[in-house]
This record gives sequence, structure tokens and C-alpha cells, in this order.
Amino acid sequence: GQQLNQSPQSMFIQEGEDVSMNCTSSSIFNTWLWYKQDPGEGPVLLIALYKAGELTSNGRLTAQFGITRKDSFLNISASIPSDVGIYFCAGQRETSGSRLTFGEGTQLTVNP
Amino acid sequence: DTGVSQNPRHKITKRGQNVTFRCDPISEHNRLYWYRQTLGQGPEFLTYFQNEAQLEKSRLLSDRFSAERPKGSFSTLEIQRTEQGDSAMYLCASSWDRVYGYTFGSGTRLTVV
Repeated sequence: GQQLNQSPQSMFIQEGEDVSMNCTSSSIFNTWLWYKQDPGEGPVLLIALYKAGELTSNGRLTAQFGITRKDSFLNISASIPSDVGIYFCAGQRETSGSRLTFGEGTQLTVNP
Repeated sequence: DTGVSQNPRHKITKRGQNVTFRCDPISEHNRLYWYRQTLGQGPEFLTYFQNEAQLEKSRLLSDRFSAERPKGSFSTLEIQRTEQGDSAMYLCASSWDRVYGYTFGSGTRLTVV
């Protein structure tokens, strides 16, 4: 089952607003990844974080790897309609080999 | 580089039938993964290969499921005697290291009726 707690489950915002979502875990993760998934498609990688404390940006997206290695957040600035979709965090633990553990996703709706 | 390719995109099958899905990873990636995703959930790990060797399997992978990667390139996932609970999106991913470049395909949506 899922071991990552992702919140919020859903968000309804106006175009132009900033968005923040986060993932927490009771376990330590070595890598955090953030994906976006459109209906009927596979997840697309947005940002990868490999070191505790790391802050990485990809255009309007910014993500951080928590110092405790048990959490991560994703910010989207100045949202646009095409940001609509489901955002997933995923973590990889030292003891779990290559498998990723996913959160349950944040459904983002952007109203024009 | 055409990304990770999965076929078919959709499959509807009757309960009890066998189905097989194919995944073609990114050519330079040596690691290949299978995940299953049900509605409203994140993907869950099933199994992974490094080259042709299957190195890890999840408890989700019952004995009705088998995966192969015979030449270390494409992979197949077969489900025997399908059950309604097998209905899900089956996702394939590949990478050239444990997580670097971890890229998913568009998935195969299986519906068991």
C-alpha cells in the first residue's frame, strides 16, 4: 500500500494563482520525484530531487527535498489552464532498490 | 528517442482469458519496471528488470502474473485467468540508473468484463 501522504487531495484555483502541495512520510527517502498525469496517460516527470535540502526549479515549478528526508513540496506559480491534472509525488528509499513509492495524488483544477 | 512505448493502449477481455502486454523502453535504458495503477490511486510497483534479469517482484504480482525481458530490450507482462480485480492501468517505465531518467510509458488500460 501507499506509504506517502500527499495533500491536499484536490485543489480548485483561479488562473494566475500560486499552488502548493506536499508529501510526507514516516520513512526516509533518498530521492523525491514529482510527476504530472493527464487522463489516460502515464505520469510525466516534472522535477527530480536527489539531496536533502535541495531546491530545484523547472519553469514555473519549484520543488524542495526536505531536510529530514521525510518530506517534499511542489509549488506552481502563476497557474494556467494547462496545469490541470493529477500531481504525484514519488520517493525512492535506500532499502527499496529501484522501486518508487507514490503518493495518492493531488487533483488540480484551474478555472480560467 | 521515442520514449517508452506500450501496446496495446486499451484491452477489454472476458474474465478467465489470458492477456499479454508489451513494453519497449528507451533504447539506452537498462532498467525496466512494471507498475499497476487503479482509479484514484498512485502507481504501485509490480516488478523490475536490470537487462534481462528480473531482480525484484512485489507481493502484488500473484502467480497468475508473469513478466519477461528475454533479450534485455522489450518486456512482456502476461496475466493468466484474468479476474475483474485485474482491471487497472498497467504502466511500464525505464531508466539507466536506479532513478535517473525514470520515464513512464502511456500505459495499457485493461478492463476485465
